[in-house]
Amino acid sequence: DADVTQTPRNRITKTGKRIMLECSQTKGHDRMYWYRQDPGLGLRLIYYSFDVKDINKGEISDGYSVSRQAQAKFSLSLESAIPNQTALYFCATSEFRGRRETQYFGPGTRLLVL
Amino acid sequence: AQTVTQSQPEMSVQEAETVTLSCTYDTSESDYYLFWYKQPPSRQMILVIRQEAYKQQNATENRFSVNFQKAAKSFSLKISDSQLGDAAMYFCASSSGTYKYIFGTGTRLKVLA
Repeated sequence: DADVTQTPRNRITKTGKRIMLECSQTKGHDRMYWYRQDPGLGLRLIYYSFDVKDINKGEISDGYSVSRQAQAKFSLSLESAIPNQTALYFCATSEFRGRRETQYFGPGTRLLVL
Repeated sequence: AQTVTQSQPEMSVQEAETVTLSCTYDTSESDYYLFWYKQPPSRQMILVIRQEAYKQQNATENRFSVNFQKAAKSFSLKISDSQLGDAAMYFCASSSGTYKYIFGTGTRLKVLA
């Protein structure tokens, strides 16, 4: 079984709809992240969480919110989806040693907002 | 500011040949990791190789190796004996300090049969 899973894998929604993307991990990592990927822009950080009670905004958090329901679960919500939120979304967990970390990614969720 | 730059949007290589993907980075940290991730058409982000900045020896994973030039802040990926399955987007990334994980914009590698 995959260590980091994301649901759904693909989603089409309409402008103004609220949607939630879910992420679960079995790696036992405390740190979890949400990124979006757009062509030519690499990955950009939306939100990150160092533990259940510690949630922080990344560089592009506007229009998004998150919930860390448990160590293993981290959900991303779009309260009112808009077309420029069409992108590939990745969840990641990280292994942190000293001041260095390595991130492991889920399979991604492709979101299309019409 | 921490930055990662991949100046080659696309590269091609003949099957069985060797190709090198370039990456430069900038960080004020003295202790950091550098990574190469592969993203095949399945879109999964797969960790290919990791280099610890304090190690002078270049990391190697089977057919993948890096050329880490710390003074020049250069971190290139060499793929030997290229295979069709190596065709993918490759992202360079750096990690230093708390959460500062920065990605480059990617290089698309095509493998020609």
